[in-house]
Amino acid sequence: EVQLVESGGGLVQPGRSLRLSCATSGFNFDDYAMHWVRQAPGKGLEWVSGISWNSDSRDYADSVKGRFTISRDNANNSLYLEMKSLRAEDTAVYYCAKDPSGGDGSGYYYFDYWGQGTPVTVSS
Amino acid sequence: DIVMTQSPDSLAVSLGERATINCKSSRSVLYSSNNKNYLAWYQQKPGQPPKLLIYWASTRESGVPDRFSGSGSGTDFSLTISSLQAEDVAVYYCQQYYSTPPTFGGGTKVEIK
Repeated sequence: EVQLVESGGGLVQPGRSLRLSCATSGFNFDDYAMHWVRQAPGKGLEWVSGISWNSDSRDYADSVKGRFTISRDNANNSLYLEMKSLRAEDTAVYYCAKDPSGGDGSGYYYFDYWGQGTPVTVSS
Repeated sequence: DIVMTQSPDSLAVSLGERATINCKSSRSVLYSSNNKNYLAWYQQKPGQPPKLLIYWASTRESGVPDRFSGSGSGTDFSLTISSLQAEDVAVYYCQQYYSTPPTFGGGTKVEIK
């Protein structure tokens, strides 16, 4: 059974940093691209960032480019999101999501499995 | 960025009746080299993460009931629930993955009339 479990969210002041983690199991993690998608309270879905299976390709939404860094540790089946210079508009539930593409390529950029999400609140 | 526009914003349908949600993209998401539409549909129930229902515009994800179907091509797409069940109450989102960044529609809330 595929499982994605996010952690690391919480309340943080504007301008500070936070690191999210996503522990995965139930599939060959190093075969798949992975993503972060967020959802502001009462709002829709926004893709944040994606990373290829071998970390060679990383993409970011314009809204987080230069502030957020996606990374992965294939030995530990884990995905990360380092968030710096956080703003109030970054307040959201952050979901870790698996890309269905396998093997070569940077991913299809749709999402077949999602974690339960970890909430991030940026407020003073 | 490709803008995805869903309609209606909300929809109330009687149990057993058909529900249809529309999604329009600002540019075609049909890739001519493989004749595939890069369009997915998700269902999100309250307090839960989204769940993939449909990809390539019309391919049902494994385990998704066959009352859910996707159609359309190019810029105009639809998700149809052929016979609404109580457990289908949710918000539904379309998403294009033709180009980066992948973008979502604003969502359509489906309720029971």
